[in-house]
Amino acid sequence: GAGVSQSPRYKVAKRGQDVALRCDPISGHVSLFWYQQALGQGPEFLTYFQNEAQLDKSGLPSDRFFAERPEGSVSTLKIQRTQQEDSAVYLCASSAPGWGETQYFGPGTRLLVL
Amino acid sequence: AQSVSQHNHHVILSEAASLELGCNYSYGGTVNLFWYVQYPGQHLQLLLKYFSGDPLVKGIKGFEAEFIKSKFSFNLRKPSVQWSDTAEYFCGGSYIPTFGRGTSLIVHP
Repeated sequence: GAGVSQSPRYKVAKRGQDVALRCDPISGHVSLFWYQQALGQGPEFLTYFQNEAQLDKSGLPSDRFFAERPEGSVSTLKIQRTQQEDSAVYLCASSAPGWGETQYFGPGTRLLVL
Repeated sequence: AQSVSQHNHHVILSEAASLELGCNYSYGGTVNLFWYVQYPGQHLQLLLKYFSGDPLVKGIKGFEAEFIKSKFSFNLRKPSVQWSDTAEYFCGGSYIPTFGRGTSLIVHP
């Protein structure tokens, strides 16, 4: 079946612009994660949903970052008033519910803020 | 705070050499450890994972890892690497996943 998809794949934004990044998880996957991956680093956890409920948002770096999953499937990560330090690859992953379930990652959105 | 550290950031090997990539974790509670791999131009994909049972875990493509609780380690091994193993390798763990910074492996044919 189809894997996790993300759009856009690449985004260039001017500093101060708002951006919205979309994630389509694998159908039926209850859990959805967002990560930020800076160049040369591993993925850093941002936030986690179970269905439409945002259970953990402790990794969001500032109040400019906001994520939603209103119907428990597609999720959007929004960054307001982008800054240069927001430049990174934003990864989405989904999994079935439960401890130790495998996360399936999307291709990521590469964001460059000029 | 939970953390995962990978000791080797860049590894270069010749084909048929043996591989061991180090990974240490520091968090309490129930263990959930994994290794992910990212081949050039591809998504992150799971190599193997451990959360209970036999501490020696076998994954895809001939990789294995051993959970050693006393050493807080979960090192990745492969007895004989191939050129196609060239990739980034990420160790991680915990329920809210924490990843190490990754190891870039280059295998010379």
